[in-house]
Amino acid sequence: EPEVTQTPSHQVTQMGQEVILRCVPISNHLYFYWYRQILGQKVEFLVSFYNNEISEKSEIFDDQFSVERPDGSNFTLKIRSTKLEDSAMYFCASSEIGTGAAYEQYFGPGTRLTVT
Amino acid sequence: SQQGEEDPQALSIQEGENATMNCSYKTSINNLQWYRQNSGRGLVHLILIRSNEREKHSGRLRVTLDTSKKSSSLLITASRAADTASYFCATDADNNDMRFGAGTRLTVKP
Repeated sequence: EPEVTQTPSHQVTQMGQEVILRCVPISNHLYFYWYRQILGQKVEFLVSFYNNEISEKSEIFDDQFSVERPDGSNFTLKIRSTKLEDSAMYFCASSEIGTGAAYEQYFGPGTRLTVT
Repeated sequence: SQQGEEDPQALSIQEGENATMNCSYKTSINNLQWYRQNSGRGLVHLILIRSNEREKHSGRLRVTLDTSKKSSSLLITASRAADTASYFCATDADNNDMRFGAGTRLTVKP
């Protein structure tokens, strides 16, 4: 069964460093998402992406964050200058269809980001 | 922004019992989905119910949706120890983002 994959599974970085989290969505999916979950808290929406541009973003997704689909398979989340509070589990998801229809988002296993 | 809110926050039951978790939300939705998360792992989609549906079944899962009360419930029948996980509801409206609740942590004791 096709699945969303994410790398790395765990990333440790120092405050102020840039990190890139990588995701490979399911191949025929057109909509891509990033979520984060701070330890013990709820899953929070960050951004959705369709047709090579951001569809929606939350208030969390500030100028420090960016997303890119550099090729036909990868979907990346970049944090330019990490802060301690960026430590969280980051989930990528993809869906075949999006707004206006019932759709299922498939989630990857997540990348645990630890900022020291 | 709308968000699903689950209750109870934590639920502990014996194997074989039924588990009921509730979710409330604030604004109109297109659909509501329930996800499961094992500790420290990714989210697994369980079931999706559209705003024009009232009840849906999938195996031991039964989901209801009451749009007048802006609430949904997830029932797991004949629970097993392997059902131990956190369960989240997620709602979406007219944009592409889903909003998750804080989750219910279910413990099923063998």
